[in-house]
Amino acid sequence: GENVEQHPSTLSVQEGDSAVIKCTYSDSASNYFPWYKQELGKRPQLIIDIRSNVGEKKDQRIAVTLNKTAKHFSLHITETQPEDSAVYFCAASQEGAGGTSYGKLTFGQGTILTVHP
Amino acid sequence: KAGVTQTPRYLIKTRGQQVTLSCSPISGHRSVSWYQQTPGQGLQFLFEYFSETQRNKGNFPGRFSGRQFSNSRSEMNVSTLELGDSALYLCASSLLAGGPYETQYFGPGTRLLVL
Repeated sequence: GENVEQHPSTLSVQEGDSAVIKCTYSDSASNYFPWYKQELGKRPQLIIDIRSNVGEKKDQRIAVTLNKTAKHFSLHITETQPEDSAVYFCAASQEGAGGTSYGKLTFGQGTILTVHP
Repeated sequence: KAGVTQTPRYLIKTRGQQVTLSCSPISGHRSVSWYQQTPGQGLQFLFEYFSETQRNKGNFPGRFSGRQFSNSRSEMNVSTLELGDSALYLCASSLLAGGPYETQYFGPGTRLLVL
């Protein structure tokens, strides 16, 4: 089955700096890659996602890049703010594949991001 | 639209008991997936339901089961609880399953503590 590795496990930055979190996946059939942010005691919230037909997607200070050949994707946060502090999870799935792919996201282990004022 | 809701939010049980958790998806969403979140194992897929049918199941023992009702609400049940079942149980709903709209939206979770 799919395996997603996420690095680093912890990341500490100063306010205003950029943060980059990287994930690699094992199954070349994966075609959908969401990123979730989970604040302490709260639900995971989707912050951005990318499908395999594009290489990059941006939403204000957040961007995601995908390299299908290398099977890795990254989250980039620019101009970080203290409220960006949270645990970030990457995930992978196979949209439309059916079978053992139905409704299944395979998650990375998470990155604890701390933004210091 | 109201988000995904889960009840109860917190539960304390003892070993050997059973527990039922409930999830109400976003209105119009038909697919419900369940995940277990623990510090050691992270987020792991339990199962997925669509149109009252379980279509996919993760690598969990048969003590973990679920069902979905005609209004898309879903329940999961854990029988013969073990200490290791202590976790945050999250459900997520998506608009369509098997298509290009599988973005999953999570509920707040039920935190289960087994003593």
